[in-house]
Amino acid sequence: SAVISQKPSRDICQRGTSLTIQCQVDSQVTMMFWYRQQPGQSLTLIATANQGSEATYESGFVIDKFPISRPNLTFSTLTVSNMSPEDSSIYLCSVEGHQNTEAFFGQGTRLTVV
Amino acid sequence: DAKTTQPTSMDCAEGRAANLPCNHSTISGNEYVYWYRQIHSQGPQYIIHGLKNNETNEMASLIITEDRKSSTLILPHATLRDTAVYYCIVRYAIMYSGGGADGLTFGKGTHLIIQP
Repeated sequence: SAVISQKPSRDICQRGTSLTIQCQVDSQVTMMFWYRQQPGQSLTLIATANQGSEATYESGFVIDKFPISRPNLTFSTLTVSNMSPEDSSIYLCSVEGHQNTEAFFGQGTRLTVV
Repeated sequence: DAKTTQPTSMDCAEGRAANLPCNHSTISGNEYVYWYRQIHSQGPQYIIHGLKNNETNEMASLIITEDRKSSTLILPHATLRDTAVYYCIVRYAIMYSGGGADGLTFGKGTHLIIQP
């Protein structure tokens, strides 16, 4: 199994500012995934982050709004830029197990933009 | 990935078996059925997965029909802590996805409420 730590667990931010969310994994993993969960909704994949290359973004998500860093095999960050109230969501980090049979998720970062 | 259909919500009495259905009529031969659950204010948790045979682990059993167009997740003795949203997800095995893992496509899931 993989243990994932996300920071911060929650934050309240002013519109127009940016927040960087950190994701730390207790083992080396090839790919890390970032999801968004809007209030009352299911999870939506934002992007896939590989170490040493640019992240791959899903339709509807762009690098300027959600820049991602992946400096090593155990760490990644997601920045939510120029925030608006519509960005209020839970943001979750995820990795695949070593056998690629199951995904592990962090506890999420609950973001409120006011 | 194939689309899945699940009931929006279900109730089950504590101590009884909870049977959660999932339809995946467009599943392809290389796609697995996965189940995850999300307890309130937590990240999703893996439960079980299977290809064509029935599977059982310490958490649940997965029954897949012979034509693989539907499946049922069974929690044999539901407790209050099993109250959660349960997601049925269909995805390719890694060997068929170009060698790398893809992210998961979550539907709306089933909100299972265990009643005392």
